[in-house]
Amino acid sequence: QSALTQPPSASGSPGQSVTISCTGTSSDVGGYNFVSWYQHHPGKAPKLMIYEVIKRPSGVPDRFSGSKSGNTASLTVSGLQAEDEGDYYCSSYAGSNTYVVFGGGTKLTVL
Amino acid sequence: QLQLQESGPGLVKPSETLSLTCSVSGDSISSSSYYWAWLRQPPGKGLEWIGSIYYSGRTYYNPSLKSRVTISVDTSMNQFSLKLSSVTAADTAVYYCARHPLHHYGVQWYFDLWGRGTLVTVSS
Repeated sequence: QSALTQPPSASGSPGQSVTISCTGTSSDVGGYNFVSWYQHHPGKAPKLMIYEVIKRPSGVPDRFSGSKSGNTASLTVSGLQAEDEGDYYCSSYAGSNTYVVFGGGTKLTVL
Repeated sequence: QLQLQESGPGLVKPSETLSLTCSVSGDSISSSSYYWAWLRQPPGKGLEWIGSIYYSGRTYYNPSLKSRVTISVDTSMNQFSLKLSSVTAADTAVYYCARHPLHHYGVQWYFDLWGRGTLVTVSS
């Protein structure tokens, strides 16, 4: 069982917006502004999409945005495109003993 | 182009030691700006961080795996390696190597570059 809780699936039609949640505790998500999100297409290398809750690496479209409220972080994908389909994982710093924890992943389907 | 590539046996027997290597191309593993990490994903489950190493040899390990894990670095070969001892079926997973930044204010725990992963099955 993963330390962070994500919905197993999410979906939306092209052009719509979808939000994926990531729920942790005050010891990880709620305690630090160090949440990151990864996109994974099976057989390929996972790709960093968001770091430090809201920051986008160079090359990631601004259709991807992150936020956090309390112990729950969220990834929003606006203007859904077929290429956005894949698995999305959240991660959080969890202190100087555990260091980093992940969610179980959410499969995003573009209808 | 900067790439990470995992390599090693795809099948390991129970109670034996799993050994993998990550080859770094397009950058020096001796870069002062990064830690180098191993992560894994068991079938149907989420990701799990195993541990990280700096080129100097400084390591961080997941406390739940620490007693069985050794991560080492070979700067001359631009590689780093994972050894996981006393494996069981629960260690069957896709194993990834990745990179995470070191800033002047500390280690950053997000992974900005990953390999494609390699499946390791533990079975007799």
